[in-house]
Amino acid sequence: LAKTTQPISMDSYEGQEVNITCSHNNIATNDYITWYQQFPSQGPRFIIQGYKTKVTNEVASLFIPADRKSSTLSLPRVSLSDTAVYYCPGEQDTGRRALTFGSGTRLQVQP
Amino acid sequence: KAGVTQTPRYLIKTRGQQVTLSCSPISGHRSVSWYQQTPGQGLQFLFEYFSETQRNKGNFPGRFSGRQFSNSRSEMNVSTLELGDSALYLCASSLEGRPADTQYFGPGTRLTVL
Repeated sequence: LAKTTQPISMDSYEGQEVNITCSHNNIATNDYITWYQQFPSQGPRFIIQGYKTKVTNEVASLFIPADRKSSTLSLPRVSLSDTAVYYCPGEQDTGRRALTFGSGTRLQVQP
Repeated sequence: KAGVTQTPRYLIKTRGQQVTLSCSPISGHRSVSWYQQTPGQGLQFLFEYFSETQRNKGNFPGRFSGRQFSNSRSEMNVSTLELGDSALYLCASSLEGRPADTQYFGPGTRLTVL
């Protein structure tokens, strides 16, 4: 069981860059690192996924060090609409997509 | 491409009844997973189906079951409903459920048990 650990909450202001770090202590060789965003009463929305080094898409960047024991989700210039819970789930079983979600990081963006 | 769809979106049942929830995966996706989300336990994995076979199962009682059809659509069933089954039930699909295959979630079905 690849359990992950992330901060319970974070606060930011509009226009700032936000970095959320996740610990992946028991990550397996085949596991990928995925981040999701969730708004109340909605399904988690995929943000970004990577295996190692850096991945960037139109909404975020993902930094993964060589040992893959952690990952950092970077959200550039956040807005009020980025207020949500962010998850970096682990894998329940190696080789199977049975995600294990922790409590996530509740990001509050202030004006 | 259409996303994962779930029906119904909201459901109210009473204790002891049973319920069936439906999930249509993204076109071309053959792996479907189900999750339960409650305020107390968070998001928990129920089971995963691929090619009409259950490949993986979470730690839930036998009252929770599912199936997958040849077109990859999936249903989950909860029998003898309990108050604690009130939750947001989420379906997620991926190409083949491999580690590199991203899971995309549907909007969920909100089940309320009275």
